[in-house]
Amino acid sequence: GEDVEQSLFLSVREGDSSVINCTYTDSSSTYLYWYKQEPGAGLQLLTYIFSNMDMKQDQRLTVLLNKKDKHLSLRIADTQTGDSAIYFCAENGNSGYALNFGKGTSLLVTP
Amino acid sequence: SQTIHQWPATLVQPVGSPLSLECTVEGTSNPNLYWYRQAAGRGLQLLFYSVGIGQISSEVPQNLSASRPQDRQFILSSKKLLLSDSGFYLCAWSGGALDEQFFGPGTRLTVL
Repeated sequence: GEDVEQSLFLSVREGDSSVINCTYTDSSSTYLYWYKQEPGAGLQLLTYIFSNMDMKQDQRLTVLLNKKDKHLSLRIADTQTGDSAIYFCAENGNSGYALNFGKGTSLLVTP
Repeated sequence: SQTIHQWPATLVQPVGSPLSLECTVEGTSNPNLYWYRQAAGRGLQLLFYSVGIGQISSEVPQNLSASRPQDRQFILSSKKLLLSDSGFYLCAWSGGALDEQFFGPGTRLTVL
């Protein structure tokens, strides 16, 4: 199957910006997504971006997409301790009905 | 609005015992349904998906099976659990214009 790669861990201080990166290989993806998973809970869709967009901003979240390099990033401004979670990148490439998920990036926000 | 339910929330079962996990969706019709397993709090492994009643696609060979007896009901089963079946099981549905998936709260299964 197609691969979605993410770094496994990121640690930031409260109030700083966090940037979580993701690379994917399926150029046929029309949507790319960011999900958040808090401990012991299901995944929550945070935001998405259409593949013909370069950037999408939603309050403290900024998604950047470089389609040429197949690189997606999620920036969280003014990171708070409540942002500590696992963040999954996903794409809806040519894999049928399922989404391809990365392995998730664990974000730790320290006071 | 749409909601997705899973039960039980946690389950502890002995090796060799049967399993039945249930997932139901409300507020939508003819959703695509998915079962994922997440081991050790990490990546998601797609186990099964279904595009309609009685239609099940399996992504990986394993000790588990899935059924969809009703449009908004998806069941994950096993006749005999293995230790390696332990994990966090997530059900999801999709059907919107954005292809996004919506996840249930998950079931934590521990096989002893």
